[in-house]
Amino acid sequence: EDQVTQSPEALRLQEGESSSLNCSYTVSGLRGLFWYRQDPGKGPEFLFTLYSAGEEKEKERLKATLTKKESFLHITAPKPEDSATYLCAVNNAGNMLTFGGGTRLMVKP
Amino acid sequence: NAGVTQTPKFQVLKTGQSMTLQCAQDMNHNSMYWYRQDPGMGLRLIYYSASEGTTDKGEVPNGYNVSRLNKREFSLRLESAAPSQTSVYFCASSAVPGTNEKLFFGSGTQLSVL
Repeated sequence: EDQVTQSPEALRLQEGESSSLNCSYTVSGLRGLFWYRQDPGKGPEFLFTLYSAGEEKEKERLKATLTKKESFLHITAPKPEDSATYLCAVNNAGNMLTFGGGTRLMVKP
Repeated sequence: NAGVTQTPKFQVLKTGQSMTLQCAQDMNHNSMYWYRQDPGMGLRLIYYSASEGTTDKGEVPNGYNVSRLNKREFSLRLESAAPSQTSVYFCASSAVPGTNEKLFFGSGTQLSVL
């Protein structure tokens, strides 16, 4: 059974204080790892897809990286508008998606 | 561009009542999905439709039925609601044909079953 574990469950940062969110996974044949952002009362919004170990993707203050066992979402100099829940998901060889429980990020001005 | 539209946004049911959650997408996507989101459990797939005319069970299908009405619309029905079905329900569609990659989600339906 595929498993996705995200840590920490919640993270409080001061504006400008860089940090990383972790997504550890076990999957039967990784077809892709995805990061989504979810604002309160909204549906998840797609951020990145990573397909193989060593791959990196960037978007504004966010950078996602992938190894064979985990992915990191690095947030550089975060702003209050980066506050959200960040979800990680893996797609397996059978094209089934498994989501983690998410990390709730709060950035204070 | 509306994307994925879900109705209603909120609903309260009594145990045993039935209801249908509606979902429509205007992005011409083939694949559509219904998820439920519960605290600490992540999103879990209820049913999906890879293309118009097909539907398949996901991880937690018991107590639910779906209908892919046409390419745009995919509805989720609770025939006899139970308190365990209290959750937030999300409809999604996939931008990548034949896969569940790059999902576009609706804004959700918060359902309470008393």
